Order: sequence, then C-alpha cells, then structure tokens
Amino acid sequence: GAVVSQHPSWVICKSGTSVKIECRSLDFQATTMFWYRQFPKQSLMLMATSNEGSKATYEQGVEKDKFLINHASLTLSTLTVTSAHPEDSSFYICSAEASYRDEQYFGPGTRLTVT
Amino acid sequence: DQQVKQNSPSLSVQEGRISILNCDYTNSMFDYFLWYKKYPAEGPTFLISISSIKDKNEDGRFTVFLNKSAKHLSLHIVPSQPGDSAVYFCAASAATGGGNKLTFGTGTQLKVEL
Repeated sequence: GAVVSQHPSWVICKSGTSVKIECRSLDFQATTMFWYRQFPKQSLMLMATSNEGSKATYEQGVEKDKFLINHASLTLSTLTVTSAHPEDSSFYICSAEASYRDEQYFGPGTRLTVT
Repeated sequence: DQQVKQNSPSLSVQEGRISILNCDYTNSMFDYFLWYKKYPAEGPTFLISISSIKDKNEDGRFTVFLNKSAKHLSLHIVPSQPGDSAVYFCAASAATGGGNKLTFGTGTQLKVEL
C-alpha cells in the first residue's frame, strides 16, 4: 500500500527555536496533504490543508505565521513550527491524499517536545 | 464544538467475541465516514469507510453500519482478536465546503483480552 513518511519521528527543542517537520509520500504523488496535531488522549485536530504549488489553507484558530507550511513538490510537504513554546509540544501527523476519497494515508507522526 | 463524538473512551472485549464501537455526529453535511485504527506513537491506519448512500459496508471481520436519521455509525469487529487492541477513531467528511478534510472523533481504546 501507499507509504507516507515523516521526519524526524521525534524532536526536542528549546523554547524560541524553530523546528521543521517533513512529510513525504514515498510511492505516490499527493497534490494534497493535511497536517494534524494530537494532544494526549485527544482527537486528531486538523491544522491545515497543504496543496502543491499554492498556499496552505489553515483551520480556524491556527496561526499561519507560527505554523509555516510549504508543499514544494507532489511528494513533499513541510511544517515549520516557528518560535516554538512548550504549549506547542504535541504529536504532529501528516496525511497525503491519493486519488479517491478514502485513500488518505497517514504518516507515523512526529513527537515534538519544547523545553 | 465536537462534531464527531465517540462517547466511550474505552472498551474491553474477550477474544472471539464481537467488538462494537460507536460514533455519533452532528453535522448533517457529512456524507462520508471512515474508521481508523491507531497504535501509540504511530499514524492512523485506514480500516473501512462508508458513503451516506449506504447503510452497511463489510470488509472481512469489519462491518460499518450507518444510521443517517440518528446520525450514528458503528464499527463491528467479529471475531475480535488480541491484535485488534488499539485506539479506534471514526472520521467524517463533507462533499461540499470541506473537500476531503476529515473531522475525527475522540477515539475509543479497544482492549481485546485473552
């Protein structure tokens, strides 16, 4: 089946620094990728929709200047958490959309801890 | 506003028995529903989906039932196996105004005991 990778799988950074998370579709092209975050014991919350070659669409309440998304190619989207703070510590998961509606494949997630 | 709700945070079932996971939604625009299985520190894995034009979809041990009038869906796993132990999320999407964006429920932790 389709594979989506994320890098890094976990990262610890200091408050005030920026962290970049990569999401790659390894064996298919994805015109659309989604970024989610999940707090412990809570649901996955959609942060933004990333479309190749255009600006990302952010969900209400998500700061676009803080969570920079770049979908530079049909196989790569990046999420940069700028000026990270401890409250940004979370599990970030991306998904990539293939052709049909139910073919949305998820990456393994990235655990971000901001100290 | 939680548009997709899974009111049971956990469920424990004996191996071989049926597991029934429930999900309710409030947005009448949702027309496509999916179930995902998730292990800790991993991304969700797609299990089964159902369109609002159907009321049942079956795939091996997994069956999803949709009751549109009640805005309720359920996932049946039979027979349950220890490897089914995971968190199960239901998700919904709307054909209009949302593209393929998924709205997830809060998840149900299923534990299948020997």
